[in-house]
Amino acid sequence: AQRVTQVQSTGSSQWGEVTLDCSYETSEYSYLILWYRQLFSGEMVFLIYQPSFDTQNQRSGHYSVVFQKSFKSISLVISASQPEDSGTYFCALSEAHIGGIRASGSWQLIFGSGTQLTVMP
Amino acid sequence: EAAVTQSPRNKVTVTGGNVTLSCRQTNSHNYMYWYRQDTGHGLRLIHYSYGAGNLQIGDVPDGYKATRTTQEDFFLLLELASPSQTSLYFCASSDRQTQDTQYFGPGTRLLVL
Repeated sequence: AQRVTQVQSTGSSQWGEVTLDCSYETSEYSYLILWYRQLFSGEMVFLIYQPSFDTQNQRSGHYSVVFQKSFKSISLVISASQPEDSGTYFCALSEAHIGGIRASGSWQLIFGSGTQLTVMP
Repeated sequence: EAAVTQSPRNKVTVTGGNVTLSCRQTNSHNYMYWYRQDTGHGLRLIHYSYGAGNLQIGDVPDGYKATRTTQEDFFLLLELASPSQTSLYFCASSDRQTQDTQYFGPGTRLLVL
């Protein structure tokens, strides 16, 4: 069963705000959710991460997240989207991350299958 | 930002062939990983390592061997390649304190005929 679930594709117009949804399953109290973007070349680029213990939604450049811990849901928000933001976005779950230091032996990333975003000019 | 390189970038081999994928990272990261990416599956972890000489099994290790010869170099070996191993392979690295933030190489496209 998928532990990290993403919608397959979505689209937007230039300058619009894009929201990419991710839901996950975990029994851990402490974990991280990370977002990566895959360029058309195949290159994977790290965007942003949200620790479960942090109640503040993280921001990085024109990326931010909306973290709903009780629903085991997180959304990546791209403000003022541009055609060059098009690509595939991956949500990843990292469990047993305690206070910024990963617990011994538990450090795998579990990826969703990605959301393909198309931003039209 | 971590520099992770992979070679070759593209590889074609035949069923039963022997393939070695190479990965090098130059930021002195302790952790290195090999993933495969297939449509509908996202990235799946094959093997990983937390230092030279160390090897840990990931989620989809069957048919793969790996070796970490130095802190910089991590190799993925397919000794009897099969068509089911046709995929896009990524190497990644991270450091001890932020091992959740993995930095990826550009990927290797492998086609097994």
